[in-house]
Amino acid sequence: DGGITQSPKYLFRKEGQNVTLSCEQNLNHDAMYWYRQDPGQGLRLIYYSQIVNDFQKGDIAEGYSVSREKKESFPLTVTSAQKNPTAFYLCASSTYRDYPNTGELFFGEGSRLTVL
Amino acid sequence: QKEVEQNSGPLSVPEGAIASLNCTYSDRGSQSFFWYRQYSGKSPELIMSIYSNGDKEDGRFTAQLNKASQYVSLLIRDSQPSDSATYLCAVRGHVWNFNKFYFGSGTKLNVKP
Repeated sequence: DGGITQSPKYLFRKEGQNVTLSCEQNLNHDAMYWYRQDPGQGLRLIYYSQIVNDFQKGDIAEGYSVSREKKESFPLTVTSAQKNPTAFYLCASSTYRDYPNTGELFFGEGSRLTVL
Repeated sequence: QKEVEQNSGPLSVPEGAIASLNCTYSDRGSQSFFWYRQYSGKSPELIMSIYSNGDKEDGRFTAQLNKASQYVSLLIRDSQPSDSATYLCAVRGHVWNFNKFYFGSGTKLNVKP
């Protein structure tokens, strides 16, 4: 089945450690995204990528890094520089289509990171 | 001003009633609008997309778009307890920010049996 796979679903990290969250999609979508969601809050964009080997910072990129070496994959690294990394992380993807039906955004199941 | 605004709720409706969720957006040039449902602890699930002025119906859900008023709404008919969730409104950027999606903070809906 086509979809977006995030792993791990749950992750515990000690302070000072880097962790990498995996995101793989088999929808043949060009654009991929990482969002962060804190309890009771909306979605905040961390990074997005429109094409392989290219990505742009979102609203809260500090303390995070990404790569886009393959169309299917967009891993997110939460570095030790991120001061408050405990959150629910959502990967998403979208395709281009001509106006007006420009393509929807689909989400993976999410990865919940807890810093101990 | 936020790009997309929603009333955070909670919105409480009795089972069987119509739930009405509202969303306004700031970019007059926006063309693509989406409603997502998010259950507690889960990821958002796309339930409706709408691109043209007017109504779009899918089962118990109706999305309404008024570009002149920069207003999108979602109606849920015959509300069920299983509809209790947070509903997110999203707007896709256009032209220079075509690949960005702007989300409201969500409206929490409680359907009481």
